[in-house]
Amino acid sequence: EAGVTQFPSHSVIEKGQTVTLRCDPISGHDNLYWYRRVMGKEIKFLLHFVKESKQDESGMPNNRFLAERTGGTYSTLKVQPAELEDSGVYFCASRPNKYSAGTEAFFGQGTRLTVV
Amino acid sequence: RKEVEQDPGPFNVPEGATVAFNCTYSNSASQSFFWYRQDCRKEPKLLMSVYSSGNEDGRFTAQLNRASQYISLLIRDSKLSDSATYLCVVNIPMVGYNKLIFGAGTRLAVHP
Repeated sequence: EAGVTQFPSHSVIEKGQTVTLRCDPISGHDNLYWYRRVMGKEIKFLLHFVKESKQDESGMPNNRFLAERTGGTYSTLKVQPAELEDSGVYFCASRPNKYSAGTEAFFGQGTRLTVV
Repeated sequence: RKEVEQDPGPFNVPEGATVAFNCTYSNSASQSFFWYRQDCRKEPKLLMSVYSSGNEDGRFTAQLNRASQYISLLIRDSKLSDSATYLCVVNIPMVGYNKLIFGAGTRLAVHP
């Protein structure tokens, strides 16, 4: 069974450009989470989808970040325009269903974003 | 106050040592807890879930103290391969969904 996959694994862009990160969760997992780790800091929650609905986007830093989950399958996270402080590793994770309180979240390998 | 707090370390220990990490959480409604391990430049991976009665998996023991709102991870007979960052993860039940919050992680370095 395929795990959580993220694309690209690395991205280097210039300040002001746009970047779109993609996450394919484990098939059948309703819950999809986006997290970010900025160098030297903790992993911070960005947002959570349940199927195609944004359940919680309280961690999104500002309106330069837009996340979507088309048809409840894969998700994209777009940063437009990118700023230097957006650099970090963006992780995606998935969990099965709404009764997932005690279940493991599976993580993708992350996308390392560098804004120069 | 942060929702999940951990001592960032680093903990530098010799092989064979026993080391313990603590993690405190602020939301008393939290019901599920996990320890994840993250190796350098890799994604977090589940090490073990933490059960109310405490649980053990080989050299690793996890404990939960609900009254004091902390969880712990004990590693016995440390191996070089245990060197990693250990992340305390708390599941916070929300209305209709569950939210996972991470601690900052505790770095462990095991040396020969």
